[in-house]
Amino acid sequence: SQQGEEDPQALSIQEGENATMNCSYKTSINNLQWYRQNSGRGLVHLILIRSNEREKHSGRLRVTLDTSKKSSSLLITASRAADTASYFCATDGGANSKLTFGKGITLSVRP
Amino acid sequence: DAGVIQSPRHEVTEMGQEVTLRCKPISGHDYLFWYRQTMMRGLELLIYFNNNVPIDDSGMPEDRFSAKMPNASFSTLKIQPSEPRDSAVYFCASSFHHRAGKLFFGEGSRLTVL
Repeated sequence: SQQGEEDPQALSIQEGENATMNCSYKTSINNLQWYRQNSGRGLVHLILIRSNEREKHSGRLRVTLDTSKKSSSLLITASRAADTASYFCATDGGANSKLTFGKGITLSVRP
Repeated sequence: DAGVIQSPRHEVTEMGQEVTLRCKPISGHDYLFWYRQTMMRGLELLIYFNNNVPIDDSGMPEDRFSAKMPNASFSTLKIQPSEPRDSAVYFCASSFHHRAGKLFFGEGSRLTVL
């Protein structure tokens, strides 16, 4: 069963706008990761945030983690048409647990 | 460096036939994972290996599915006999030194069972 659940399921924005995607999870985690999947391709790792971190940046990406609310957000600033893809959060629930993925968010960036 | 390589990229077969999917992980990675992706169920972990040894196969749907890793550079996922409900995209992924760290995915094998 999926641990992380992304919200919204689909998001459509104009190029240049910011895109915010959310992920909620149920049990305690060691780390949370975000991946991108372009249509017909494999998943590509974007960023990993550990449970003792609150915020992380990578280029135009900003990820936050709130362990008290069991939630994370991924912000893509100044979006581009090339950011059009599905985005997944994945959680590691601790000792001997596996990385489990949410069902993903479909982001469409209109030129 | 080459990434994770999967073959075939597309496979169309008839119900009852045997299907073999192949994966070459990134050199030096000691974890290998097989995932299945469908619209209904999302991305599901089927099985993973550490140093060529199967660690957790609890996600394998039924006995028709089997996976092997005879050496550090090759793994197979076999479905025998195949059924239409097995139609999905199957991904292989590898990682270095961590079962839940950064995963590197292949481009997937899209299986259609008629």
